[in-house]
Amino acid sequence: DGGITQSPKYLFRKEGQNVTLSCEQNLNHDAMYWYRQDPGQGLRLIYYSQIVNDFQKGDIAEGYSVSREKKESFPLTVTSAQKNPTAFYLCASSITPSANYGYTFGSGTRLTVV
Amino acid sequence: AQSVTQLGSHVSVSEGALVLLRCNYSSSVPPYLFWYVQYPNQGLQLLLKYTSAATLVKGINGFEAEFKKSETSFHLTKPSAHMSDAAEYFCAVSVGGGSEKLVFGKGTKLTVNP
Repeated sequence: DGGITQSPKYLFRKEGQNVTLSCEQNLNHDAMYWYRQDPGQGLRLIYYSQIVNDFQKGDIAEGYSVSREKKESFPLTVTSAQKNPTAFYLCASSITPSANYGYTFGSGTRLTVV
Repeated sequence: AQSVTQLGSHVSVSEGALVLLRCNYSSSVPPYLFWYVQYPNQGLQLLLKYTSAATLVKGINGFEAEFKKSETSFHLTKPSAHMSDAAEYFCAVSVGGGSEKLVFGKGTKLTVNP
C-alpha cells in the first residue's frame, strides 16, 4: 500500500545533540511538508519542498534543516539551535505542488529532550 | 492572506447526540476546504474536502460539511455521535490558483460521553 512512513515513532534527544527524523513516501507525490504540533497550537509549518533539490522555510524554520535529494525522501534535522524541540512532528505530502488536493500525512514522530 | 478559525477548542457531546464543529475561513478567492481527524499519537486523516463541485460534502464515518459562502463557513456535522468519534478535528484551507500550502485551524478536541 502506498503511504508515508515516518521513523522512528519515538525519539529521545540529549541537550546539544542534532537528531534526524526520517520521512519517506511511495505515493509519487511532488511536494512534501514538515509540521510541528504542540498542545493547543495546532500545526505549524517548519519547511516544505515542491520539487527535488528545492525547499522553502515555513513559519518556524529556525533551529531546523532539511534536504530533498530524492523525490521520495524529506528528512528533517533538529539541530542544537532549536531550544525547545520537544514536540510531535508530522510529515505530509501532496500529489502536486499545489495544496488544492490536500495532504496525506505520516503517523508522526514524538521527540523528547532528556 | 487566508486563515481559518475553529470556534471552540473543546466540544463535548453525549453518545447519540448531534456533533457540530465550527470552522470559518477568510479568503478573497474561492477556497478549497478540508476537514481532518487526528486520533491520539497518530497522523491526520482526511475526512472530507470541498472543491466547489457541491456545497454539501459527505465524508467518511458519517460526517458531512456544508460550504456557505455568505457566512464564510464550513461546519462539520454528524447526526449521531459514537464513542469512536472522540478525537481532534482540524479544518484547513487552500486558496485556489496554485496555493503552495494548507493553512490549518488550531483544532477542536471532541469528547463523547457515554
